[in-house]
Amino acid sequence: QVQLQQSGPGLVKPSQTLSLTCAISGDSVSSNSAAWNWIRQSPSRGLEWLGRTYYRSKWYNDYAVSVKSRITINPDTSKNQFSLQLNSVTPEDTAVYYCARVEIAAAGPYYYYYMDVWGKGTTVTVSS
Amino acid sequence: DIQMTQSPSSLSASVGDRVTITCRASQSISSYLNWYQQKPGKAPKLLIYAASSLQSGVPSRFSGSGSGTDFTLTISSLQPEDFATYYCQQSYSTPIFTFGPGTKVDIK
Repeated sequence: QVQLQQSGPGLVKPSQTLSLTCAISGDSVSSNSAAWNWIRQSPSRGLEWLGRTYYRSKWYNDYAVSVKSRITINPDTSKNQFSLQLNSVTPEDTAVYYCARVEIAAAGPYYYYYMDVWGKGTTVTVSS
Repeated sequence: DIQMTQSPSSLSASVGDRVTITCRASQSISSYLNWYQQKPGKAPKLLIYAASSLQSGVPSRFSGSGSGTDFTLTISSLQPEDFATYYCQQSYSTPIFTFGPGTKVDIK
């Protein structure tokens, strides 16, 4: 059974860096089929995909345009986990942050992607 | 960017009712549509992927249909544990996943 365990501070000061970690059990961050994602949820923005990291013979990252200049997602193969760093935060970054696995289902020539395993969420407040 | 809308935004229903939630995409997304259930203080839970495929372990009273721009999630007989918020999500433009605004199902 795959589980994701999130950790990180719940309070970050404006202009500082938000850092969260997602530890994986039951799967590998180096999986050749899964991708490892960060999503956040706030009343004003709803559920918002932030970015992902995945391994397909080498490491790849993709980021949402809304945060692309401020975000880094890194894998850590030695600890089987991945992390989120969001720089220069403002109160608008206040949200519940989730990590999630994206898996793939093949149906003939088509590939379908879905978030099948989620962390429990971390409430992050940006305030001085 | 693909935008997702849902209707209604909320509904009240009784145990045993048949409930239908609609999701619409701003452009055709074929069958690249997932449904999630979220309860207060919890992470979303995958119910349906690829518009109509039931995720393992999800009760068969949940079903999904549709393709192109219009999709529905149906709960055939609402149970007490089904009171929650439901979200649709497009995966057509992977890796950019877009969620709908949600439909809250509460007790009548």
